[in-house]
Amino acid sequence: TQTVSQSDAHVTVFEGDSVELRCNYSYGGSIYLSWYIQHHGRGLQFLLKYYSGNPVVQGVNGFEAEFSKSDSSFHLRKASVHWSDSAVYFCAASIGSSSFSKLVFGQGTSLSVVP
Amino acid sequence: EAAVTQSPRSKVAVTGGKVTLSCHQTNNHDYMYWYRQDTGHGLRLIHYSYVADSTEKGDIPDGYKASRPSQENFSLILELASLSQTAVYFCASSGRDWLSQNTLYFGAGTRLSVL
Repeated sequence: TQTVSQSDAHVTVFEGDSVELRCNYSYGGSIYLSWYIQHHGRGLQFLLKYYSGNPVVQGVNGFEAEFSKSDSSFHLRKASVHWSDSAVYFCAASIGSSSFSKLVFGQGTSLSVVP
Repeated sequence: EAAVTQSPRSKVAVTGGKVTLSCHQTNNHDYMYWYRQDTGHGLRLIHYSYVADSTEKGDIPDGYKASRPSQENFSLILELASLSQTAVYFCASSGRDWLSQNTLYFGAGTRLSVL
């Protein structure tokens, strides 16, 4: 069974700090990984994805994530956060080469940025 | 602008009553999904559809029906609403090929309270 785990339910940082939101998955084969952001009262919005190639992928608004097969991780990072980055972040995974690709979401990490 | 629109945005229903949640997309996407979001559980897939007049069960289909009368519209039906179905419901759409399937576009959500 494929699972996605986000170990931190809540993270609080100050504006201008760097942040890393952690995501680990359990699956041994080809995998598609992505991050979504959910602002309060809104739907989820796609941030970035990884399937193959360069393990560091860039997303919108200065976000990047790094895939590590050895650690089974896909952590999301930002060098300098802004108060508007306060939101819930979801990591998602899907197994490759399937006729239907179902995304499995992690539990979410709530990021609070203190001005 | 392409979008996924859900209605209503919030609803209060009585136990045992019938509830219909509607979703309309202008993305010209083949796939549409209904997810349920509960605090601490991330998103769980209820039903999905890849073509009009056909629906498929997701991970938690019990107590829910779905209807896809056209490519643009996808409804979620609770024939006999129960307290345990109080949650936020999200509709999403995606493209047909494998990589496109894994980038979902979400609506703003419907907050359902069953009393």
